[in-house]
Amino acid sequence: EVQLVESGGGLVKPGGSLRLSCAASGFTFSNAWMSWVRQAPGKGLEWVGRIKSKTDGGTTDYAAPVKGRFTISRDDSKNTLYLQMNSLKTEDTAVYYCTTAGYCSGGSCYRAEYFQHWGQGTLVTVSS
Amino acid sequence: SYVLTQPPSVSVAPGQTARITCGGNNIGSKSVHWYQQKPGQAPVLVVYDDSDRPSGIPERFSGSNSGNTATLTISRVEAGDEADYYCQVWDSSSDPHYVFGTGTKVTVL
Repeated sequence: EVQLVESGGGLVKPGGSLRLSCAASGFTFSNAWMSWVRQAPGKGLEWVGRIKSKTDGGTTDYAAPVKGRFTISRDDSKNTLYLQMNSLKTEDTAVYYCTTAGYCSGGSCYRAEYFQHWGQGTLVTVSS
Repeated sequence: SYVLTQPPSVSVAPGQTARITCGGNNIGSKSVHWYQQKPGQAPVLVVYDDSDRPSGIPERFSGSNSGNTATLTISRVEAGDEADYYCQVWDSSSDPHYVFGTGTKVTVL
């Protein structure tokens, strides 16, 4: 069973930094493209960024509102995805979800244009 | 950036059919995916690639896509279908690449 468990959320002041982690299990993490999606309180879903598997280059893409401030990375030896958030703004307040950028079946993951598996989310609050 | 527009709310009686639209410029040329999100929970993929269902999703959920409108149809609506629904597409020329619709709250009367 695919499991994604986020951690690291909390309260941070504007201009501060925070690192989120996402522990993955139930599939071959190193083969998976992964994404972060966020949801501000009472608002809709917003894609934050994506990281490809290392075999596909390991490159990252970001949405414009976070480009230059957020960095996605991965440690395949620990089956863990990270989101480093710097220069945080009040508008970054949201629940942050870790997702597979594709689907997983039989322990392997395949890239696709949708998000099959989601973590439970972790809340980041940026406030003074 | 590419914009997906959904009605804010749809109300439906139990046993009836709910139709949720997702409007976008020439959306029929893209693959559309739909998510269900209940309060306090993570989204769940209910339809992908316009009309396919992941394992475990009831056949009551179906999708279509043509022209400038994609539609998620929920047949024989149940109380447990009450949730927010989001459409989503991938557009390599857009920033962001992954675009979500504005979301629709489905209320079961």
